[in-house]
Amino acid sequence: AQTVTQSQPEMSVQEAETVTLSCTYDTSENNYYLFWYKQPPSRQMILVIRQEAYKQQNATENRFSVNFQKAAKSFSLKISDSQLGDTAMYFCAFIPGGGATNKLIFGTGTLLAVQP
Amino acid sequence: GAVVSQHPSWVICKSGTSVKIECRSLDFQATTMFWYRQFPKQSLMLMATSNEGSKATYEQGVEKDKFLINHASLTLSTLTVTSAHPEDSSFYICSASPDGGRTDTQYFGPGTRLTVL
Repeated sequence: AQTVTQSQPEMSVQEAETVTLSCTYDTSENNYYLFWYKQPPSRQMILVIRQEAYKQQNATENRFSVNFQKAAKSFSLKISDSQLGDTAMYFCAFIPGGGATNKLIFGTGTLLAVQP
Repeated sequence: GAVVSQHPSWVICKSGTSVKIECRSLDFQATTMFWYRQFPKQSLMLMATSNEGSKATYEQGVEKDKFLINHASLTLSTLTVTSAHPEDSSFYICSASPDGGRTDTQYFGPGTRLTVL
């Protein structure tokens, strides 16, 4: 079965500090896409960062970066210089099969609270 | 660009009635749209994949006669919850993949909160 596991239901970080959210996944396929989505209190899903499995270089988007360990099937998200607006639920997700089906499989989410 | 809207944003209905939720891609065409369901403090669960001009593909365990999906055009998909009951109360989210874009790209609508009394 293709699954995504987020082992941290809730996390807290002080403003301006760095926090890392964990994610592991299970798939037998070699090519796939990995994502981190943010869902703030408005409930609007926002794409934070995307990683293609065939690329070894870790993706970065401003204060957001990932640590992609393909052999370990791990895909953690690091948020640097945390801001109050980063408070949200964060979902790790992936599309198996190189994007042939576009079906996103989501993890259970990590609720991040940024404290002033 | 790449905006997806949903209407209504919230709806309250009586048990036994049907409710229609619209999902529109405002500035792009989407052959494929997706419908998700999200319970409070839980993750998104894919209900079905909506394909323009053909029947929707439902995930295992989702009642196709209960959740009717119609993808009438390249910018509109509708989800109708038929004979709604309190257990159907949930947050419903749609997403759309732009035609001609990356196959892994999905843009999400703001969601519709359904409450069945």
